[in-house]
Amino acid sequence: DAGVTQSPTHLIKTRGQQVTLRCSPKSGHDTVSWYQQALGQGPQFIFQYYEEEERQRGNFPDRFSGHQFPNYSSELNVNALLLGDSALYLCASSLVLAGRGQFFGPGTRLTVL
Amino acid sequence: GEDVEQSLFLSVREGDSSVINCTYTDSSSTYLYWYKQEPGAGLQLLTYIFSNMDMKQDQRLTVLLNKKDKHLSLRIADTQTGDSAIYFCAETGGTYKYIFGTGTRLKVLA
Repeated sequence: DAGVTQSPTHLIKTRGQQVTLRCSPKSGHDTVSWYQQALGQGPQFIFQYYEEEERQRGNFPDRFSGHQFPNYSSELNVNALLLGDSALYLCASSLVLAGRGQFFGPGTRLTVL
Repeated sequence: GEDVEQSLFLSVREGDSSVINCTYTDSSSTYLYWYKQEPGAGLQLLTYIFSNMDMKQDQRLTVLLNKKDKHLSLRIADTQTGDSAIYFCAETGGTYKYIFGTGTRLKVLA
């Protein structure tokens, strides 16, 4: 049973560019959340998708957008990249009633030059 | 407001017990979690506790919850070098998002 998978593993972009990160949830999970983890910090919640809709959003600007597909996989898009967007982006999947925890992928390391 | 606080570092000798502490602010959190992160990796769910429980034991891990003081702790018995990692506690604050602390870096000395 595959866990949460993310692609790509690493990515280097320049300021002003756009990036798309991808996530496939753990088998049987229907909810996907995205987090940004800056170096030395805990993960910060970006947003959560369920039934192809954004269910909750954290304190991130509109440059951050997402999508969930009918097969529950998800994309995170970031437009007009800033140096401060350099971070590890983590995808987590869970069942809609997520009491028993979210399961994280290995992350995508984004570097903005 | 939402805030989760942890001490930054903990160093223990192999075979000793480790206790990692966390305080949180939102009393509406239904579940509280402990995650482990090894260098360059994602987060691994270690255990969770429901807010109506005081204690939960899972093999070498013991979670204690003091809801009155909003204090959560994780005890690792017989700590091994493979336990060296960053440990995060997280609350849900009654919402869908998880709110993480800044993490406690555990170093196990051989």
